[in-house]
Amino acid sequence: EVQLVQSGAEVKKPGESLKISCQGSGYSFTSYWISWVRQMPGKGLEWMGRIDLSDSYTNYSPSFQGHVTISADKSTSTAYLQWSSLKASDTAMYYCTRHALTPHWFDPWGQGTQVTVSS
Amino acid sequence: DIQLTQSPSFLSASVGDRVTITCRASQVVYSYLAWYQQKPGKAPKLLIYDASTLQSGVPSRFSGSGSGTEFTLTISSLQPEDFATYYCQQLSGYPITFGPGTRVDIK
Repeated sequence: EVQLVQSGAEVKKPGESLKISCQGSGYSFTSYWISWVRQMPGKGLEWMGRIDLSDSYTNYSPSFQGHVTISADKSTSTAYLQWSSLKASDTAMYYCTRHALTPHWFDPWGQGTQVTVSS
Repeated sequence: DIQLTQSPSFLSASVGDRVTITCRASQVVYSYLAWYQQKPGKAPKLLIYDASTLQSGVPSRFSGSGSGTEFTLTISSLQPEDFATYYCQQLSGYPITFGPGTRVDIK
């Protein structure tokens, strides 16, 4: 079974750093890309960026460029999303999801990681 | 960026109703359009890709159509488990974008 399993919920203070993870299983990890999607409380889905696991090439939405970093460790089939300095406005649910040039649609999705940033 | 709009943003329907949701793109996305279903507290689930191809395991009451800039998702006979929020997504160009969502509630 193809599966993406994300790390658990986080509660952080503004200015702190954070790295959340997404581990893939049941498929050839480096044959696909991983994208991260943000969902703020009560809001819709926003694509943040993606990483090509074959060469670690990344591509970010302009809305998130410079504020987050997407990386991966092929040896553990794990992708990461990290912040160096969190803001209260980063409070959201974050999902990872698999895609590629083909298939280009997002499937499956991880279960989500809730990030809460509060002083 | 390619903007997606969905209509309606909210609809109230009964079990057995036929429901149609429209997604419009600000520029041509060819058939690079997908539809997702999201239930409260859950991750989105892929329903339709390439505008009209039903994802494996998705009930046949769901169907998608359209190309270019106008697309529709149709549920032929609404079931209790279909009450959720539906999002369209374009994969024609970066940044990838989603529509604002259509919430389907029980009448």
